[in-house]
Amino acid sequence: EPEVTQTPSHQVTQMGQEVILRCVPISNHLYFYWYRQILGQKVEFLVSFYNNEISEKSEIFDDQFSVERPDGSNFTLKIRSTKLEDSAMYFCASTMRETQYFGPGTRLLVL
Amino acid sequence: SQQGEEDPQALSIQEGENATMNCSYKTSINNLQWYRQNSGRGLVHLILIRSNEREKHSGRLRVTLDTSKKSSSLLITASRAADTASYFCATDAGAGGTSYGKLTFGQGTILTVHP
Repeated sequence: EPEVTQTPSHQVTQMGQEVILRCVPISNHLYFYWYRQILGQKVEFLVSFYNNEISEKSEIFDDQFSVERPDGSNFTLKIRSTKLEDSAMYFCASTMRETQYFGPGTRLLVL
Repeated sequence: SQQGEEDPQALSIQEGENATMNCSYKTSINNLQWYRQNSGRGLVHLILIRSNEREKHSGRLRVTLDTSKKSSSLLITASRAADTASYFCATDAGAGGTSYGKLTFGQGTILTVHP
């Protein structure tokens, strides 16, 4: 069964460094999303992406964040200058219609 | 309370018992989805119910939706130790059409099934 994959599974970085989180959505899906989950908290929406542009973004998704679909398969989330509070599990999701399928997540730790 | 609030926050039962989790939300929705998350792992989609549906079944799962009360329930019958996980409801209040919107998640219910 097709699934969303994410790399790396874990990332440790120093505050102020740039990180790129990678996702490969399910191949025939058209809508892509990033969510995050701070430890012990609820899953929060960051951004949605359709037709090579951002459809919607949350207040969390400020100028330090960007997304890109550089080719036909990858979908990336870049954090330009990480802060301590960016430490979280980041989930990518994709959908063709309604059901959003989530990847296993990247656990980001900012020191 | 916020969109997608589950109760109880934690539920502890014995194997073989039924587990019922509830979710309330505030805005109109297109659909409501239930997800499962094992500790520190990814989100696994369980079931989706559309706003014009009242009940759906999938294996041992039964979901109901009451749009007049803005609430949903997830029933897991004949629970197993392997059902131990966190369960989240997530609402899609997007515009639909060519846009499938963000999901708004609740805090989740932590279910523990004792063997």
